[in-house]
Amino acid sequence: AQKVTQTQTSISVVEKTTVTMDCVYETRDSSYFLFWYKQTASGEIVFLIRQDSYKKENATVGHYSLNFQKPKSSIGLIITATQIEDSAVYFCAMRDSNNRIFFGDGTQLVVKP
Amino acid sequence: DAGVTQTPRHEVAEKGQTIILKCEPVSGHNDLFWYRQTKIQGLELLSYFRSKSLMEDGGAFKDRFKAEMLNSSFSTLKIQPTEPKDSAVYLCASSFGGAQNTLYFGAGTRLSVL
Repeated sequence: AQKVTQTQTSISVVEKTTVTMDCVYETRDSSYFLFWYKQTASGEIVFLIRQDSYKKENATVGHYSLNFQKPKSSIGLIITATQIEDSAVYFCAMRDSNNRIFFGDGTQLVVKP
Repeated sequence: DAGVTQTPRHEVAEKGQTIILKCEPVSGHNDLFWYRQTKIQGLELLSYFRSKSLMEDGGAFKDRFKAEMLNSSFSTLKIQPTEPKDSAVYLCASSFGGAQNTLYFGAGTRLSVL
């Protein structure tokens, strides 16, 4: 069965440091896509970054990057130089070959001054 | 370009009422999703449409929840009859067809059932 698991419920970091959020997934598909989304306090959910399963290079967008470890079915999100406004809930998601989407339960990130 | 538009933003209903939530996807998007979000259950899929055809209907929600997509630019989610446990944020999202495409979410409708 397809499944996405985020084990970290909440993380607290000091501003300007680096944080890593974990995500593991289960799938039998040979091709799939992994996404990270951010939900702000207002409730808005926005797309951050995507990793294609067939690509070995880790995706990077701005101060977001991914740590894709395919043998471990793991896709960690790394945020460098965190800012107060990075405080939010971060969701990991997998989209399979049937276009279905599976979300993790989210990780609450708190960035403190 | 306009994003996903959901109306109303807030809805208050009495137990047993029928409510209809509305969603306008991003123009040109083929896929449309309805989710329910609560702190306890997280994001739960209610319905998934592809090119107006219902592809997936969240099993646990079939009896009182019905989503429809009358045309490619408009979808509704009907809850009938409402129960207090339906209090949640209802999110609509759309995307182009193809698994590589990201979802664009609407701002959501916050439903309170008294």
